[in-house]
Amino acid sequence: QLQESGPGLVKPSETLSLTCNVSGASISSSIYYWGWIRQPPGKGLEWIGSLYHNGYAYYNPSLQSRVAISLDPSKNQFSLTLTSVTAADTALYYCVREDRRGAAGRKKWVWFDPWGQGSLVTVSS
Amino acid sequence: DIQMTQSPSSLSASVGDTVTLTCRASQGISTFLNWYQQKPGKAPNLLIYAASTLPSGVPSRFSGSGSGTDFTLTISSLQPEDFATYYCQQSYDTPPYTFGQGTKLEIK
Repeated sequence: QLQESGPGLVKPSETLSLTCNVSGASISSSIYYWGWIRQPPGKGLEWIGSLYHNGYAYYNPSLQSRVAISLDPSKNQFSLTLTSVTAADTALYYCVREDRRGAAGRKKWVWFDPWGQGSLVTVSS
Repeated sequence: DIQMTQSPSSLSASVGDTVTLTCRASQGISTFLNWYQQKPGKAPNLLIYAASTLPSGVPSRFSGSGSGTDFTLTISSLQPEDFATYYCQQSYDTPPYTFGQGTKLEIK
């Protein structure tokens, strides 16, 4: 299970920070990646980024200059930081487990399962 | 980025109907395509991965097919709990992973 937590309101130009608590699996596992996906109210889904247990992270190029994902193995949690937020960053933020399958050295099939329940973050003064 | 286009944007159907939803990629993605179901106020749930594989627990009335640029999700004998929004997602060319805009399946 995954559970997001963090402030529901962030002021423009400030930093959005969310944490995902993981239960039932270790984020130090070499099997999975851990990531974030967001959904503006009434709109579609946007992948933000993903992180491996060794610290390797990759991000959506549209957000790369403002986003960071980090792990806290001692708490079995991972976190999202998004800087210089604007109203366009208002969204439901989901933490997800990223599953990958495929032969070594070959392109991997990647999907997201499970998802947290989501944390609504509103950017407003 | 690979663009994913779903059609139709919305669809009305009745319990017991069979419906087919379509997802088209802007370039070939082999079978690197997943489907998710999202009910109102809930997080998306994985429905199909690798274009046609059902995760454990997903009813067999759901099926996926396709390869390359064109994919379909078919729901046979619609049940009341199937009325939801469905999203496709590609994992062929990343970053970024990209999603379709969704198809909303409504009760007629």
